Amino acid sequence: EPEVTQTPSHQVTQMGQEVILRCVPISNHLYFYWYRQILGQKVEFLVSFYNNEISEKSEIFDDQFSVERPDGSNFTLKIRSTKLEDSAMYFCASSGGGSKADTQYFGPGTRLTVL
Amino acid sequence: SQKIEQNSEALNIQEGKTATLTCNYTNYSPAYLQWYRQDPGRGPVFLLLIRENEKEKRKERLKVTFDTTLKQSLFHITASQPADSATYLCAPRANQAGTALIFGKGTTLSVSS
Repeated sequence: EPEVTQTPSHQVTQMGQEVILRCVPISNHLYFYWYRQILGQKVEFLVSFYNNEISEKSEIFDDQFSVERPDGSNFTLKIRSTKLEDSAMYFCASSGGGSKADTQYFGPGTRLTVL
Repeated sequence: SQKIEQNSEALNIQEGKTATLTCNYTNYSPAYLQWYRQDPGRGPVFLLLIRENEKEKRKERLKVTFDTTLKQSLFHITASQPADSATYLCAPRANQAGTALIFGKGTTLSVSS
């Protein structure tokens, strides 16, 4: 069964450094998303991406964040200058087109620790 | 603003019993509602979707109801097993492709043998 994959599984970085989190969505899916979950809190939406552009973003997704689909398979989230409060699990998700856009399939997550 | 409330943060039941989880929402009218399961340190896994014109949906031991008048969904797991122990999340959604999932805090179910 096709799966969303994410790398790395765990990323440790120093405050102020740039990080790039990588995701390979399910092939032939058209919608891509990033979510985050701070330890002990709920899963929060960051951004959605469709047709090579951002379709929706939350107030969390400020100028420090960017997303890119550099090729036909990868989907990345970049944080330009990490802060302590960026420490969280980051989940990538994808969904198909039409009625299949209803269901989002999540990856296993990247645990980001900012020191 | 949209608000999603799930009945309790933790629910403890004995193996074999039926678990019932509640999701209440306010300040919007979703076209459908989804339930996801999340295990510790893992991503949410889709379980069931129910549309506003459906009263009930079943999948194996799972049953979901959707009452748009009460603005509530109930999620039932019958003949519960320890393997059902996880956090269950509800996400009401508008009928627009590719929109964000807005999750409740979830209910953590513990099934003891």
